[in-house]
Amino acid sequence: QITLKESGPTLVKPTQTLTLTCTFSGFSLSTSGVGVGWIRQPPGKALEWLALIYWDDDKRYSPSLKSRLTITKDTSKNQVVLTMTNMDPVDTATYYCATTSVGSGSYYTIDYWGQGTLVTVSS
Amino acid sequence: QSALTQPRSVSGSPGQSVTISCTGTSSDVGGYNYVSWYQQHPGKAPKLMIYDVSKRPSGVPDRFSGSKSGNTASLTISGLQAEDEADYYCCSYAGSSWVFGGGTKLTVL
Repeated sequence: QITLKESGPTLVKPTQTLTLTCTFSGFSLSTSGVGVGWIRQPPGKALEWLALIYWDDDKRYSPSLKSRLTITKDTSKNQVVLTMTNMDPVDTATYYCATTSVGSGSYYTIDYWGQGTLVTVSS
Repeated sequence: QSALTQPRSVSGSPGQSVTISCTGTSSDVGGYNYVSWYQQHPGKAPKLMIYDVSKRPSGVPDRFSGSKSGNTASLTISGLQAEDEADYYCCSYAGSSWVFGGGTKLTVL
């Protein structure tokens, strides 16, 4: 069974750095073709892709947010961590982690999703 | 990199068919056969319904189908059912990143 779960602070202050952890089970991030990434969704708004890290440590970032994002993996712990610097109220959103390739076998398909975690940015 | 363009809403009666469009550019939808569609019910995580333009994951009813022509992809839902009422998002690989559509709210009348 494939599961992903996001964890991290529910409230951060403006200008602070957000650190989110995705803990997963049912697959390995050392398997060729597998990736884990992050997507966010502001309340009532659309999904926005943020970042992805592949099994071989290849990292991809949203061009518009690249300067603020860092994604890393700890294969032994089955975890992927996303950090986002200089948080602003407009970054208030539900943050999801998700896999590529695990269910679909497609290198470029985001397939399994976690339940998401709501992060509010407010002073 | 701009969001893909989807209609804000579509509707249909039970048993009917609806099609949701997703328009991008030659840098995303038109350039790759890596378009996927997600269904999202309120308060829930998105669920993969179609990938690689027209492939269905195991467990997704064959009422759901996908296609692409040029820079526009489409999701067709036939034999509408009440449980199909949800938000639908398209997503395309864009070379080194991914881009989502603005979402379409499907109402089953």
